Amino acid sequence: GEDVEQSLFLSVREGDSSVINCTYTDSSSTYLYWYKQEPGAGLQLLTYIFSNMDMKQDQRLTVLLNKKDKHLSLRIADTQTGDSAIYFCAESLSNDYKLSFGAGTTVTVRA
Amino acid sequence: NAGVTQTPKFQVLKTGQSMTLQCAQDMNHNSMYWYRQDPGMGLRLIYYSASEGTTDKGEVPNGYNVSRLNKREFSLRLESAAPSQTSVYFCATDGAYEQYFGPGTRLTVT
Repeated sequence: GEDVEQSLFLSVREGDSSVINCTYTDSSSTYLYWYKQEPGAGLQLLTYIFSNMDMKQDQRLTVLLNKKDKHLSLRIADTQTGDSAIYFCAESLSNDYKLSFGAGTTVTVRA
Repeated sequence: NAGVTQTPKFQVLKTGQSMTLQCAQDMNHNSMYWYRQDPGMGLRLIYYSASEGTTDKGEVPNGYNVSRLNKREFSLRLESAAPSQTSVYFCATDGAYEQYFGPGTRLTVT
């Protein structure tokens, strides 16, 4: 079965880089996702990576995938106060598109 | 083009009451999902519908029923609400590589 784990909290200074980590257990995952949830809102897709890729960069976001260790990370460069939110890691499997989510990492950006 | 809409936004129920959460999408997607979000537990899948006319249980279906009324609408019903069902409920629909989420319904059962 699927099991996605993340640390629950991260505090970072404005302007620094944030790194959010995630581990997953199912080796048949095809897509891995990072979603962002701002207070009182639904989830918004930030980025995703195919399981046959090692890295994906999109402006301030860098996703690294280590398939051997089943480890996914999201790096946010030059973190801003607007980046304060809950970040969810999620995986989907090859035979369906249901997502399995981690518990979410609450990122707090301090001045 | 509203995407995914949910009603109501907030609801307070007494134990034993029933209610239906509504979800509609205008994205012409086949798949729709209901999740609940609880602190420290992420999102857990309650039910999903791969296409009009089909529904399947997810991870936490007990105490809920669903109806896929047509391609646009997927409702979630609580027949006899319990305090353990206090949560935030999200509806979602599937794009090619992305699930699109509604704004959520915050439900409190006292």
